[in-house]
Amino acid sequence: SQTIHQWPATLVQPVGSPLSLECTVEGTSNPNLYWYRQAAGRGLQLLFYSIGIDQISSEVPQNLSASRPQDRQFILSSKKLLLSDSGFYLCAWSVRTGARNTIYFGEGSWLTVV
Amino acid sequence: SQQGEEDPQALSIQEGENATMNCSYKTSINNLQWYRQNSGRGLVHLILIRSNEREKHSGRLRVTLDTSKKSSSLLITASRAADTASYFCATASYSTFIFGSGTRLSVKP
Repeated sequence: SQTIHQWPATLVQPVGSPLSLECTVEGTSNPNLYWYRQAAGRGLQLLFYSIGIDQISSEVPQNLSASRPQDRQFILSSKKLLLSDSGFYLCAWSVRTGARNTIYFGEGSWLTVV
Repeated sequence: SQQGEEDPQALSIQEGENATMNCSYKTSINNLQWYRQNSGRGLVHLILIRSNEREKHSGRLRVTLDTSKKSSSLLITASRAADTASYFCATASYSTFIFGSGTRLSVKP
């Protein structure tokens, strides 16, 4: 069965510090991968999605970047965090094709920028 | 902009009552899905309805889809305190999924 792991679960970072959130998927090949951000009590904002290694689309201009160095690894980064980067970050994956396409989420990472 | 928008934003009911949440979307879709999120956790897939389906059931869940009105509803029957969570609709278009802002459901014992 497929699993998705995301870490760290919680982190507190000072303004201006770098960020690296990692996500890996097991049990599937060639997944679509996603990073979403969720502000407290709000909906999900799609940040990045990737259909393959080094193929990444950015949905919203951000102080963030994403990389996919391996097929099942997706990394969210920032060189210098802003206070507004605080939030709940969710990694997700889906199979590539079909009308029954479903997206599966990791457990999320809470980021507090202080 | 958000593709799916749920209403109400918040819903509080007593255990045993039914809960109905609605979702509207803007563009054509391949399918529409409903997800549940417990506080501080990832989203869990509940049910998917394809664009050529009008109604679907799964346990105590009933989902309807009206493509002419670009809307869907999620009905949870005989609610339980454990159903307390946020519920999101999501539309799938090509490689991306767009989520609404969610309905926060509170079921009081």
